[in-house]
Amino acid sequence: DTGVSQDPRHKITKRGQNVTFRCDPISEHNRLYWYRQTLGQGPEFLTYFQNEAQLEKSRLLSDRFSAERPKGSFSTLEIQRTEQGDSAMYLCASSLSMGNYGYTFGSGTRLTVV
Amino acid sequence: AQSVTQPDIHITVSEGASLELRCNYSYGATPYLFWYVQSPGQGLQLLLKYFSGDTLVQGIKGFEAEFKRSQSSFNLRKPSVHWSDAAEYFCAVGASNNNDMRFGAGTRLTVKP
Repeated sequence: DTGVSQDPRHKITKRGQNVTFRCDPISEHNRLYWYRQTLGQGPEFLTYFQNEAQLEKSRLLSDRFSAERPKGSFSTLEIQRTEQGDSAMYLCASSLSMGNYGYTFGSGTRLTVV
Repeated sequence: AQSVTQPDIHITVSEGASLELRCNYSYGATPYLFWYVQSPGQGLQLLLKYFSGDTLVQGIKGFEAEFKRSQSSFNLRKPSVHWSDAAEYFCAVGASNNNDMRFGAGTRLTVKP
């Protein structure tokens, strides 16, 4: 297993466009998390899945954001009608639900909205 | 809800010197505590974690951290810093059900030659 993979690594988009990011977690991990990190800040929780079920969403996740994990494996995060304030690093992490505490993070997707 | 404070935004140390990064947490129950390191443009790598047992935990890359319940602290230490340790360090607190990890704002470490 190569760890948590995120694609793309970088994305530059024009304001108003839609973007989609993908995360492939560690295969035996049943939990998957999305975080957003802006410059000079720690990661902020957006949402998480246990298997295919989305169990929690942060208030940071506006109606323009949607996340899916259709088969309980990879996940996608879509941002519609992007705004400049959406520019950030989007981090994905995965974990087991019990026992092995701590998350394994991917390298992130850097989004720049121009 | 849990929260984390990292009082130092930026620390500079000389190579070979000792290091201590501070972390204070707020959590109503027994906390699960973590330190992560992030190099520029990269994701976060887990250095060490504490959830029970010995309050002094050893991690990777020669780091250790001590949990002090009375002070609500989980400070990260390293006896001798290497230039490759320059990075951003994040303290995090999680719940026992492993679904709600909160991060501090981070401490940026600069290592002088």
